[in-house]
Amino acid sequence: GEDVEQSLFLSVREGDSSVINCTYTDSSSTYLYWYKQEPGAGLQLLTYIFSNMDMKQDQRLTVLLNKKDKHLSLRIADTQTGDSAIYFCAEGPNFGNEKLTFGTGTRLTIIP
Amino acid sequence: DTGVSQNPRHKITKRGQNVTFRCDPISEHNRLYWYRQTLGQGPEFLTYFQNEAQLEKSRLLSDRFSAERPKGSFSTLEIQRTEQGDSAMYLCASSLMQDSYEQYFGPGTRLTVT
Repeated sequence: GEDVEQSLFLSVREGDSSVINCTYTDSSSTYLYWYKQEPGAGLQLLTYIFSNMDMKQDQRLTVLLNKKDKHLSLRIADTQTGDSAIYFCAEGPNFGNEKLTFGTGTRLTIIP
Repeated sequence: DTGVSQNPRHKITKRGQNVTFRCDPISEHNRLYWYRQTLGQGPEFLTYFQNEAQLEKSRLLSDRFSAERPKGSFSTLEIQRTEQGDSAMYLCASSLMQDSYEQYFGPGTRLTVT
């Protein structure tokens, strides 16, 4: 079955880079995602990567995918206070199974 | 605003009552998804529609839960005889069928069952 794991907390100084890690189990997932959730809000799609890629960069965000180890990471360069949120890794969909399977989320705290 | 909207944003109900939530997807998005998120957890898939057809249901969706999308636009999620364990954030997402890998979420409806 599918399982997505993340560490629960990360603290980073303002201006440093943040790296949030995720491991997943379903090798048939076609896409892997990063969503951001601020307090009391829904999920904001930050970025996603197709499973045959190993890197994707989008402004301050860099996604690295190691398909062999089933490891995904999100790097946020020059972390700002507005980056404080919970970040969810998700996998899916695959071959007609349209659901996304989410991890438990990593709470990113920015230290001034 | 052309994002996914959900109503109400908050609902407090007594155990045993029925509740209904509404989701309006992004215009022209033909796929609509419901997820449930409990405190400290990631969202869990409940069900999804392609136009008006309900194509997949999770085992989490017990007989007390029913979802509809009668005209292929907005959707409703009803919970009958609510239980305290139903307390959660109910999230709706939508996507275009041809771009179904991009699911966009609404702000959610937070349900508290007392």
